[in-house]
Amino acid sequence: DADVTQTPRNRITKTGKRIMLECSQTKGHDRMYWYRQDPGLGLRLIYYSFDVKDINKGEISDGYSVSRQAQAKFSLSLESAIPNQTALYFCATSDFTIDHTQYFGPGTRLTVL
Amino acid sequence: AQKVTQAQTEISVVEKEDVTLDCVYETRDTTYYLFWYKQPPSGELVFLIRRNSFDEQNEISGRYSWNFQKSTSSFNFTITASQVVDSAVYFCALCQGGYQKVTFGTGTKLQVIP
Repeated sequence: DADVTQTPRNRITKTGKRIMLECSQTKGHDRMYWYRQDPGLGLRLIYYSFDVKDINKGEISDGYSVSRQAQAKFSLSLESAIPNQTALYFCATSDFTIDHTQYFGPGTRLTVL
Repeated sequence: AQKVTQAQTEISVVEKEDVTLDCVYETRDTTYYLFWYKQPPSGELVFLIRRNSFDEQNEISGRYSWNFQKSTSSFNFTITASQVVDSAVYFCALCQGGYQKVTFGTGTKLQVIP
């Protein structure tokens, strides 16, 4: 089984709809991250969480919110989706006590019509 | 602030050619970590290598090798005898020590032509 899973893998929604992307990990890592990937822009950090009570905005947090329900779960919400949020979204985890490597989930391809 | 530059947007090579992907970084920290990730057409991000700022030894793993030079702030990636399966987007990334926010380059798309 994959260490970092994301659901759904693909989603098409309409402008104005609320949508939640979920991430779960079995790696036992404290730190979790949400990124979005757009063609030509690489990966940009949306939110990150160093533990259940520590959530921080990344460079492009406007229009997004997150919830860290447990050490293993980190959800990303789009309260009112808009077309320019169409992108590939990745969740990642890392363990600061071991190394600084981020391990990524398979990604969620989101299309907002 | 930290920054990663991958100036090569796209590279095409013929199978069996060697190819080097460039990565130049900027950081004020003395402790930092550098990474390379591979994103094949299927879309997942695959971790390839991590280097810390105190270890300038080059590394070789099969057909892959990495050249880390602090003097030029570069961490270049070479694929020897490229294969079609190497076709992917490759990302270089930088993490400041203790902070664990990773900055990614914009990626280099490598196409290996049979």
